[in-house]
Amino acid sequence: ETGVTQTPRHLVMGMTNKKSLKCEQHLGHNAMYWYKQSAKKPLELMFVYSLEERVENNSVPSRFSPECPNSSHLFLHLHTLQPEDSALYLCASSQDFGQGEDEKLFFGSGTQLSVL
Amino acid sequence: RKEVEQDPGPFNVPEGATVAFNCTYSNSASQSFFWYRQDCRKEPKLLMSVYSSGNEDGRFTAQLNRASQYISLLIRDSKLSDSATYLCVVRPGGGSYIPTFGRGTSLIVHP
Repeated sequence: ETGVTQTPRHLVMGMTNKKSLKCEQHLGHNAMYWYKQSAKKPLELMFVYSLEERVENNSVPSRFSPECPNSSHLFLHLHTLQPEDSALYLCASSQDFGQGEDEKLFFGSGTQLSVL
Repeated sequence: RKEVEQDPGPFNVPEGATVAFNCTYSNSASQSFFWYRQDCRKEPKLLMSVYSSGNEDGRFTAQLNRASQYISLLIRDSKLSDSATYLCVVRPGGGSYIPTFGRGTSLIVHP
């Protein structure tokens, strides 16, 4: 298997549930990202990890908690979400972070999240 | 002024047409520029990087105008399969390495 894979593809959860999104990259990249995409809005960066260290936390509410156990895996733990958190959550990876101009992003297919 | 701005469209063009999109950016220290393509309900995929000298890949040409702070994407001989949203991405530079996305421009190519 190659590229960036995300699971689950779809998730429906209540506001009191706890769930986790999983991302795995098979590209040998050192940086991984979580983005949120809401309707009619640009992609919003949530978190960036470089070599398993969080390098950016873009003022994201604490009900979203990332975890990066190694350079190939990234999780987003969700708890007590709000209906406005419903969106497409995209994971991406790049070869490095902050090391050069040509840092292309490779995206997973995303998790479509609905919070009821 | 938003960091990265795009006309959301939609641009509605017939097959075979030539269409161009612009994307403006606010940070003059921006270093890297990219165009991504996103199909409906799918993830964004890299279309091409944008270099100072401009670059071409088949029917697609990307150019950078640093003086006016915009990049452009030209699509020649449009195909039905070109219908998608085209996202402009800018890496700011000046110590920031976070890629910033525009809202995207929607292109619809019709028979």
